[in-house]
Order: sequence, then structure tokens, then C-alpha cells
Amino acid sequence: DIQMTQSPSTLSASVGDRVTITCRASQGISSWLAWYQQKPGKAPKFLIYKASILESGVPSRFSGSGSGTEFTLTISSLQPDDFATYSCQQYSSFPTFGQGTKLEIK
Amino acid sequence: EVQLAESGGGSVQTGGSLRLSCVASGFTISSYWMHWVRQAPGEGLLWVSRISIDGRDTSYADSVRGRFIISRDIAKNTLYLQMNSLRVDDTAVYYCARGRGKAADPQDQWGQGTLVTVSS
Repeated sequence: DIQMTQSPSTLSASVGDRVTITCRASQGISSWLAWYQQKPGKAPKFLIYKASILESGVPSRFSGSGSGTEFTLTISSLQPDDFATYSCQQYSSFPTFGQGTKLEIK
Repeated sequence: EVQLAESGGGSVQTGGSLRLSCVASGFTISSYWMHWVRQAPGEGLLWVSRISIDGRDTSYADSVRGRFIISRDIAKNTLYLQMNSLRVDDTAVYYCARGRGKAADPQDQWGQGTLVTVSS
């Protein structure tokens, strides 16, 4: 299985901040990477696929980049609704997820 | 509007069985790969199983292969997960999800989840 490792596990930030979350794959996955947002007690919400393509309806303050083994999710200016847990997923082979990054209010 | 609604979760003892259902609306499951993904309490997401558009191809995570069976009923537009020989570490919220396109594509629509609790 391809292992996905996210950092940091927890990130404290304020409204208006620019934040970046990193996801590393244990082997190269080209650009076969997705990002999800999840709030407590809710289902994941699909944000980005193919490392950098925003799903329809996702605000443009979200962006993704990377290829191979290292990827990032950036939120350019945090909004109150963005405080949640973010997970990456590789789909180069059977899907595997990162452990999640909790974005909390500072 | 696309919706997925899971049901069938509950509490069961180790070695027991449960069948989860996921009713889809707003789209036809026979046009998409469909998946089950689970999340243990306080843990990350774990992909469990998927079924192909034509229903002939099924895949499973190593941790459930041989114990879980994914299936579907096209007439009812419903996805199922038959879970047998349940173990304590199967305790999780189980989500059904729609695949975005091809077999290995990510999941773009998710249900609200159903909780399965396995106790010894």
C-alpha cells in the first residue's frame, strides 16, 4: 500500500491567514492526489483532484500543487467556514488517505 | 440533487454480521463506480471496497477481504455492504461514496455515514 503522511497534524491559524498543509506519498503517485475537507460529525467534502484541479463550487482561495511524492494544499485567506480537518488521498492505486490535518482557530 | 443515504449500522458482537445499505438519489449508481469508506473514532479515513459500473469488478481492502461483500441493486438504486465475521477493529462510521469517474478516481459525493459498533 502507498502510505500518505500529512503535516502538520494540527495547525492553529486566524481568519485571514494563509495556510499550507503538506502531504507526502511513500512512493511516486504522479498527480493522482485529492483533498477533502471534513467537519465534526459530517461526511468528507471533495475539494481538489489531480493535485491541483478545484472541484466545481470550491472557493478559489483553495489551491493545490505538487506531483510525485510531495503535495500541498493552500488556503490563501482563511475564512471562518474553513476551520475543519483536511485529508489527502492518493488514487494511483487502491485509495489511501493521510491521517488528516486539523485546522483550528488560534 | 445528488444524495446518498446509508442505513443498517448498529451494535453487534464480535463474529456477528450486519448489512449496510446506501440509497442513491439524483443519479443512477449503474453509471458510476461506487465505494465504501470507513472512519474509526478519532481516526483517519480508510477505503474499504468498490464496485464497478457494470457490477462485475469488486475490490476490497486487505483488512476486510474475505469477510465483506459489496453489491448493488440497480432497480432500487441501492448499494450494499455485507459485513461478516465482524471484529472490534471494524468499529467505525461507514460512508458510501460515488466515484468521480474511472475505477481509481476519487469520491465526489458522500453519504452522511452510519455507525457500526462491534464489541467483544
